[in-house]
Amino acid sequence: AQSVTQLGSHVSVSEGALVLLRCNYSSSVPPYLFWYVQYPNQGLQLLLKYTSAATLVKGINDFEAEFKKSETSFHLTKPSAHMSDAAEYFCAVSGKAGGTSYGKLTFGQGTILTVHP
Amino acid sequence: DAGVTQSPTHLIKTRGQQVTLRCSPKSGHDTVSWYQQALGQGPQFIFQYYEEEERQRGNFPDRFSGHQFPNYSSELNVNALLLGDSALYLCASRRQGYENTEAFFGQGTRLTVV
Repeated sequence: AQSVTQLGSHVSVSEGALVLLRCNYSSSVPPYLFWYVQYPNQGLQLLLKYTSAATLVKGINDFEAEFKKSETSFHLTKPSAHMSDAAEYFCAVSGKAGGTSYGKLTFGQGTILTVHP
Repeated sequence: DAGVTQSPTHLIKTRGQQVTLRCSPKSGHDTVSWYQQALGQGPQFIFQYYEEEERQRGNFPDRFSGHQFPNYSSELNVNALLLGDSALYLCASRRQGYENTEAFFGQGTRLTVV
């Protein structure tokens, strides 16, 4: 079974500081990996995805994540935080095409990012 | 493009009642999944529909059922509501195919069971 662990339920940074949100996954084979953002009372918006192409993935709003198979990690980073980045972030995993869990997203518990002026 | 639309946005039901939530997928998408997001938790996969059939199911009881229509829209039905069913219910759609792994989410339906 696949699972995702997000380290740190709350992360607080100053505006302009580096953002680092941690995600580790458990899967018998390298999966597809995703980061989603959720603003209050809204649905989920995809930030970026890893589907076994380049290990460094660039997403929207200057977010990026690096797939590290040896560490089973997919941490999300942004060089400089903006006030508008304050939201909840979810890491998710799904199986690859042809597998039983393809298309089914398994989410972590989420990390709430607070940005201070 | 209207994206994924869900209705209603908010709903209050009494314990023991039944509820139906609706979802229209993004244009061009043919696969619909439903997720339950309890307060302070990540979304949990309920089930997925493709070609009007349930293709995958998460760890949810039979009180949770669904349907997909020929126009790809979908319904989620929950019978015998419990207080613990209070949550945000999210619909996600995607286009079936090897490369099309990205799911687009709707705004969700906030269900409160009292």
